[in-house]
Amino acid sequence: GAGVSQSPRYKVAKRGQDVALRCDPISGHVSLFWYQQALGQGPEFLTYFQNEAQLDKSGLPSDRFFAERPEGSVSTLKIQRTQQEDSAVYLCASTGPTNEQFFGPGTRLTVL
Amino acid sequence: QKEVEQNSGPLSVPEGAIASLNCTYSDRVSQSFFWYRQYSGKSPELIMSIYSNGDKEDGRFTAQLNKASQYVSLLIRDSQPSDSATYLCAVKGAYGNNRLAFGKGNQVVVIP
Repeated sequence: GAGVSQSPRYKVAKRGQDVALRCDPISGHVSLFWYQQALGQGPEFLTYFQNEAQLDKSGLPSDRFFAERPEGSVSTLKIQRTQQEDSAVYLCASTGPTNEQFFGPGTRLTVL
Repeated sequence: QKEVEQNSGPLSVPEGAIASLNCTYSDRVSQSFFWYRQYSGKSPELIMSIYSNGDKEDGRFTAQLNKASQYVSLLIRDSQPSDSATYLCAVKGAYGNNRLAFGKGNQVVVIP
């Protein structure tokens, strides 16, 4: 019964670098969500997958953000040409049949 | 108007007292409501979910929902120092919109 895992836990990038953040959902969970949490704020929705299908990407802030879940399990959030305003904690959550979202530990991204 | 509002500032309560947190939401068709606890530097942890009007109790926590007033609250009875955290209200929409909209959170400090 492992929970949602994310890697890396911390990432420091220079402005302009590309980064890739990984999420391993709870085994068997069909739905997977990415959120961005700025300091002192609640999480903000980025994108949502049901199995391998990306059903909602309305929260992605720009076309520099891209997410995929090719086999319906592990998901990767990629940020190209990182900017300082991308600095935040990126949270992944998965949902099973109970409609409740369980969060991973997050990846803290710092863009210098 | 933000989708989910938590307007109270930090709440300090003495150990053993009741902490009361409030949340309002703007989407009248919202169906599912959640309270998450977030310790500093950690990810959100689900503590309560509520779907129908009225009260729901789980241990020292009671969630209250009033859909007519678009209002959800959380009571923490017999507050303990370990309850010191930020509490996030989250609302899930209807009609297949599965993302959670979060408030900015309320910090609770329990004073021994």
